[in-house]
Amino acid sequence: QVQLQESGPGLVKPSETLSLTCTVSGDSIRSYYWSWIRQPPGKGLEWIGYMYYSGRTKHNPSLKSRVTMSGDTSKNQISLKLTSVTAADTAVYYCARWFGIEGMDSSFHFYGMDVWGQGTTVTVSS
Amino acid sequence: SYELTQPPSVSVSPGQTARITCSGDALPKQSAYWYQQKPGQAPVLVIFKDSERPSGIPERFSGSNSGTVVTLTISGVQAEDEADYYCQSADSGGSLWVFGGGTELTVL
Repeated sequence: QVQLQESGPGLVKPSETLSLTCTVSGDSIRSYYWSWIRQPPGKGLEWIGYMYYSGRTKHNPSLKSRVTMSGDTSKNQISLKLTSVTAADTAVYYCARWFGIEGMDSSFHFYGMDVWGQGTTVTVSS
Repeated sequence: SYELTQPPSVSVSPGQTARITCSGDALPKQSAYWYQQKPGQAPVLVIFKDSERPSGIPERFSGSNSGTVVTLTISGVQAEDEADYYCQSADSGGSLWVFGGGTELTVL
């Protein structure tokens, strides 16, 4: 079955770029869409965005242009970059499979985020 | 922006029925999804497309949609169901995905 594992630095300085990787095992990243979600300490979930390895992405407008998501098929990994971080970006970051099926009319039928990584904690502090 | 509203907490005794609501203006048009999150763990999908249950999720979990309010129902609540529950859906255009603020389910 598909398994996900997030990795990256646990500490990032303010104004720098947060870079995380999600390694996918059990299937190719070409097979599905993938998403990033974060959860600040003691708070709820926030959708960051989803992506397809070919470059199709959609992200939360609240993050403006700070977010970049991409895929590396040679390593079967997806990645997240968040620029100009502040303390408000401190959170547990999760990657998850954005499970769905594309219809004949190019519509996307979403069936939920059915596989999640264990999450990785990122603290923004000097 | 778009928001989904959940009650902060719900409490039930073992064996009773727990109902967790989620309200949003676009819910008549967009499907809702429910996730269970236990302390220190990643969320788990328990309901998709308003009322469908993924394989491996107990039958006591069910979902329903009544226009601008969707409801997660847990029948015959067990101690192991104590967790935070989050609804997820999209705005009317389907571009912005959001989570509700989460509901803490306490099994008394």
